[in-house]
Amino acid sequence: KNEVEQSPQNLTAQEGEFITINCSYSVGISALHWLQQHPGGGIVSLFMLSSGKKKHGRLIATINIQEKHSSLHITASHPRDSAVYICAVKETSGSRLTFGEGTQLTVNP
Amino acid sequence: DAGITQSPRHKVTETGTPVTLRCHQTENHRYMYWYRQDPGHGLRLIHYSYGVKDTDKGEVSDGYSVSRSKTEDFLLTLESATSSQTSVYFCAISESFFTENTEAFFGQGTRLTVV
Repeated sequence: KNEVEQSPQNLTAQEGEFITINCSYSVGISALHWLQQHPGGGIVSLFMLSSGKKKHGRLIATINIQEKHSSLHITASHPRDSAVYICAVKETSGSRLTFGEGTQLTVNP
Repeated sequence: DAGITQSPRHKVTETGTPVTLRCHQTENHRYMYWYRQDPGHGLRLIHYSYGVKDTDKGEVSDGYSVSRSKTEDFLLTLESATSSQTSVYFCAISESFFTENTEAFFGQGTRLTVV
């Protein structure tokens, strides 16, 4: 069992829909990252958080430390949001990031 | 965009040959990482560096070596490439070890095929 589990693995939405991607982890963490990987392969960091909620434009990330769970929300989705979204955790006791397998999001016009 | 460049972007090589991938940064970040990305797995750490000539193994380091002779360059070498090393390789950099306030910057990736 992976230490970081993402759901769903694949998600197809219509433009304008509200989207939620989930990340659950089984270890104690000091930080959680959400990343976006575009079809061309490049990876960019979206959020880093260890508590509460963060918002950038139409993207919102939340984390519940007690439940070991984080969500990434996209409001008013757009075809340009189509990408793989990756969750990664920094373990409290370790020195590396552990990555989920990613969620493939496709937003149709 | 962070100044991080991987070369080559694509490479096809034969089993048993040595291969070196290069990661170059212009951000003067202390930490540099090499990851591989494969279907069914998240990104997995191969090796990382926390300074010039300071490197350490990641979770999938067998068959790989690294070198960092300058702050800006981190080289990944496959001494004798095998088909299991066919993958997409990503370099990443960060100012410090990953915390809530440490952003990671990734290169564009190198697609390596070992035939």
